[in-house]
Parts: sequence; structure tokens; C-alpha cells
Amino acid sequence: GQQVMQIPQYQHVQEGEDFTTYCNSSTTLSNIQWYKQRPGGHPVFLIQLVKSGEVKKQKRLTFQFGEAKKNSSLHITATQTTDVGTYFCAGEGYSTLTFGKGTMLLVSP
Amino acid sequence: DAGITQSPRHKVTETGTPVTLRCHQTENHRYMYWYRQDPGHGLRLIHYSYGVKDTDKGEVSDGYSVSRSKTEDFLLTLESATSSQTSVYFCAISESWGSSPLHFGNGTRLTVT
Repeated sequence: GQQVMQIPQYQHVQEGEDFTTYCNSSTTLSNIQWYKQRPGGHPVFLIQLVKSGEVKKQKRLTFQFGEAKKNSSLHITATQTTDVGTYFCAGEGYSTLTFGKGTMLLVSP
Repeated sequence: DAGITQSPRHKVTETGTPVTLRCHQTENHRYMYWYRQDPGHGLRLIHYSYGVKDTDKGEVSDGYSVSRSKTEDFLLTLESATSSQTSVYFCAISESWGSSPLHFGNGTRLTVT
């Protein structure tokens, strides 16, 4: 079945440092979605990427979808303490949406 | 946030007892989902529904059943709870299949002792 791998599992940064999480699928995806879950909260939708090579930005967050539509990344520039949480990618292939296991981000002030 | 309410928010039950979790939405979305979230496993799909009385299994459906008698309600039942079903359960809804975002409820923390 479809598998979505996400790395790293965990990252601890100092406030102001950059952060990147990577998502890789075993199959070609029709689209990929990103979610953020704050500690004790529920996942919240951030963005969806559909086109090969697509790049989207939301303030300090940059999302990319690979040319082969099998990988994606989320980059946060100059992290802030409000960025703390777990970031999940979720890939849509030929079946249901499959979530990666997430990257937990800790930001120290 | 989308109008999704999960109940109860917390529950402690004993092994072997039946448990039903409820998800109620006010968005009139066709698709509803139940996920479980466990450390090291991320979010895993248990069951989903694509309309009233139309449901299907996800990747971890063993030991769970669902029902959807109305558009707004999606019930998840553990017929005989086991300790391995201790988890946080999230309901989610979406307007369409696959290409629209999921909106999650606040979750139910279930502990089976």
C-alpha cells in the first residue's frame, strides 16, 4: 500500500533558526496536504499542493512539491516560539489520504 | 474552525466493555472520517463514510465499527474495548474526496484499563 515517510521525527531549534521537514511517498501523488498540530490540539490544515514543482508561501512558511510528485517539503524561516507543534504531510494517491508520522518541532526562546 | 463536535472528550473504560464515540458536524459535509493517533504512528484511518449509511474500512479497522444514520452524525463503536485501543480519536470531515482539506474535531482521549 501507499506509504508516506516524513523526516526528521523531531527537531529542536533556537528561536530565529530555520527548520525544514521532508515528506517522501512510495507512489506518485495527485496532491499533498500539510497540517499543523499544536501540543494538546487537533491537526489544522495549512495548505495543499497539486502541481508538479509547485511552490507556495505563507509568510515565513514555504511549501514545495517535487517534480515527480513523490516528495514535498515545508521550510520555516526564522522560527518563532509560536511555530511549536507537530507538522504532518498527507499524500493523496489512488486511495485515501495517507499521513506521514509527523515532525515535532520544539523552539527554544 | 469547522463545526465539528466530538463527545465525550475524555473517557476511561474497562477492558471488554463496549464504547461509542460520537462525532457531530454542522457543515453538511458528505465525507466523515475516524482516525486514531498514537505516539510513533501518526494519524491512522479507522473507518470513513461517504454518505448516509455508506461506510468503508480504513487501514486499522479491526475491532471497530461505525454507523452513519444522518448526515451530521458519525458514530465509532468499540464492541469490546482492549488496552491496545487506548488512544486519541479524531473525527474529521471534508467536502469532497481526496482533494479537499480535512477539518478535525478536538479529539476524544480514550483510556482502556
